[in-house]
Amino acid sequence: VQLQESGPRLLKPSQTLSLTCSVSGGSMNSGDYSWNWIRQSPGTGLEWIGYINSGGNTNYNPSFKSRITISLDTSKNQFSLRLRSVTAGDTALYYCARGIHPVDRWGQGTLVAVSS
Amino acid sequence: DIQMTQSPSSVSASVGDRVTITCRASQDISTWLAWYRQKPGNAPELLIYSASRLEFGVPSRFSGSGSGTDFTLTISGLQPEDFATYFCQQANSFPLTFGGGTKVEIK
Repeated sequence: VQLQESGPRLLKPSQTLSLTCSVSGGSMNSGDYSWNWIRQSPGTGLEWIGYINSGGNTNYNPSFKSRITISLDTSKNQFSLRLRSVTAGDTALYYCARGIHPVDRWGQGTLVAVSS
Repeated sequence: DIQMTQSPSSVSASVGDRVTITCRASQDISTWLAWYRQKPGNAPELLIYSASRLEFGVPSRFSGSGSGTDFTLTISGLQPEDFATYFCQQANSFPLTFGGGTKVEIK
């Protein structure tokens, strides 16, 4: 299984970050996996954002809970992240990844910058 | 949230050396701990889960131990590809949290 992130890489403050993770090499419906978004920045290190499972159930980090939506499109074998009202503090490398324990597959990551 | 504290933050070593990294959880996480290696410019890759189980395909020079709050990752016989940053991660409770990382540098 391979994961690949895609989406805009430069945003202005207050805009909405939208990223999509495309899963190849296997169906997202096979197995009881959770599909995560995780970000990494020099200031905050690795930070788990949230997950969605194949049944469409979500679990979000309370640090982001009021700003995020993770959704699933099994027909396209994709899942997506929307993060509203971004600030410079949301500048980071964003990864999509599979699994909770363990997180056993990661995308290569996409760098998103927030700047006016 | 469960805080994960790694030490040291960096270590200098030579090829063939034995390196030990520790990770401490702010509360009991049983063996819900994983270790990852991140090479420069790459995503993290899974090495060990459930504190001591080696992921399929990972060389046996990597080993993990511990339970409760204190854990260790040992690399026995450092190889050139092991000069990287290592992270621990707890999966005992949400939100999932990671350690701050340990950078293994060439001496």
